[in-house]
Amino acid sequence: GENVEQHPSTLSVQEGDSAVIKCTYSDSASNYFPWYKQELGKGPQLIIDIRSNVGEKKDQRIAVTLNKTAKHFSLHITETQPEDSAVYFCAASKENNDMRFGAGTRLTVKP
Amino acid sequence: DAGITQSPRHKVTETGTPVTLRCHQTENHRYMYWYRQDPGHGLRLIHYSYGVKDTDKGEVSDGYSVSRSKTEDFLLTLESATSSQTSVYFCAIIPRDGGGYTFGSGTRLTVV
Repeated sequence: GENVEQHPSTLSVQEGDSAVIKCTYSDSASNYFPWYKQELGKGPQLIIDIRSNVGEKKDQRIAVTLNKTAKHFSLHITETQPEDSAVYFCAASKENNDMRFGAGTRLTVKP
Repeated sequence: DAGITQSPRHKVTETGTPVTLRCHQTENHRYMYWYRQDPGHGLRLIHYSYGVKDTDKGEVSDGYSVSRSKTEDFLLTLESATSSQTSVYFCAIIPRDGGGYTFGSGTRLTVV
């Protein structure tokens, strides 16, 4: 089955700096790649997603890039703010089913 | 939260006792999922359902069973709880636009 690896496991940045989280996947048939943000005591929330027919997608301060050949995708957060502090998960799936998640990245944004 | 309610929110139980967690949704979603979340493992799929009485196993299904007798309810049962099943359990659905899963608020289960 699909295997998703996520790095780094923890990331600390200064407010205003950029943060990048990277994931790799193993199944070349995977075609849907969402990113989730999880705040303390809450369930994961979808923040952005990308499908395999697109190389990059942007939504305000967050963007995701996908390299199908290398089987990796990344989350980019620019102009980070303290409220961006959370745990971020990447995931990969085929047709939005049997979704496999990375182990998570704890992002801390220092004021 | 797409009308997903998980109950209970917290539970402490003893080893060997049966435990049932409930996921309730109000928007007639066909697919429902149960995940467990553990440090260093992310979220792992336990079981999922693609309709009333239609369920299938995920990657960590041993020790768990599920039932879906009504569209709105998806139950996860630990027949005989073990300490290794101490975890946070999340229910999820696929929203109507087909985007990424929508998760409930979770159930924190502690087996002592």
